[in-house]
Amino acid sequence: NAGVTQTPKFQVLKTGQSMTLQCAQDMNHNSMYWYRQDPGMGLRLIYYSASEGTTDKGEVPNGYNVSRLNKREFSLRLESAAPSQTSVYFCASSEFASYSNQPQHFGDGTRLSIL
Amino acid sequence: EDKVVQSPLSLVVHEGDTVTLNCSYEVTNFRSLLWYKQEKKAPTFLFMLTSSGIEKKSGRLSSILDKKELFSILNITATQTGDSAVYLCAVGADSNYQLIWGAGTKLIIKP
Repeated sequence: NAGVTQTPKFQVLKTGQSMTLQCAQDMNHNSMYWYRQDPGMGLRLIYYSASEGTTDKGEVPNGYNVSRLNKREFSLRLESAAPSQTSVYFCASSEFASYSNQPQHFGDGTRLSIL
Repeated sequence: EDKVVQSPLSLVVHEGDTVTLNCSYEVTNFRSLLWYKQEKKAPTFLFMLTSSGIEKKSGRLSSILDKKELFSILNITATQTGDSAVYLCAVGADSNYQLIWGAGTKLIIKP
């Protein structure tokens, strides 16, 4: 009963390096999301994909790109990492994004440190 | 600007106590309010509330929404050390797909 799986769990990067965070869900959900969580702040939406083939910016998209590879997979890419991107990143999915009244199911997160 | 405010930010109680966590919101075109529990890793879904005055219950946890006064409370009775976690509140609106999240309440239960 995997749910939402994120890889890697931990990563340390140097400023300027690039990397891709992977997310896959096995619940046949249509909508997927990427959040970041910083101390003392709520979850902030980076990008979301309401359905396969679509992606949209959230609250804090700068410095990130996403790819909805297929219905199961949604990746987040940092092209040139900056220390301000040090955070815990969560991927989530829901059955439908419409009207945002669907519970979202979360992965265990990726703890990313940028030196 | 839409916002969700949780209080208190942190709370320490003893096992067996009852706690009440608060979530107030100012969100245009409110649709739903959701409560999540976050231990060390993934937030896990607890409740979704859409109608005023209807209590949702799951074991020792219960929650209610007041759409007139724009807040919700999460009650935990007979607390246990396993209830120690950050409790997150999020609000959804008709106007977009995004949930607006509060900063969370960190609850510590001492044995």
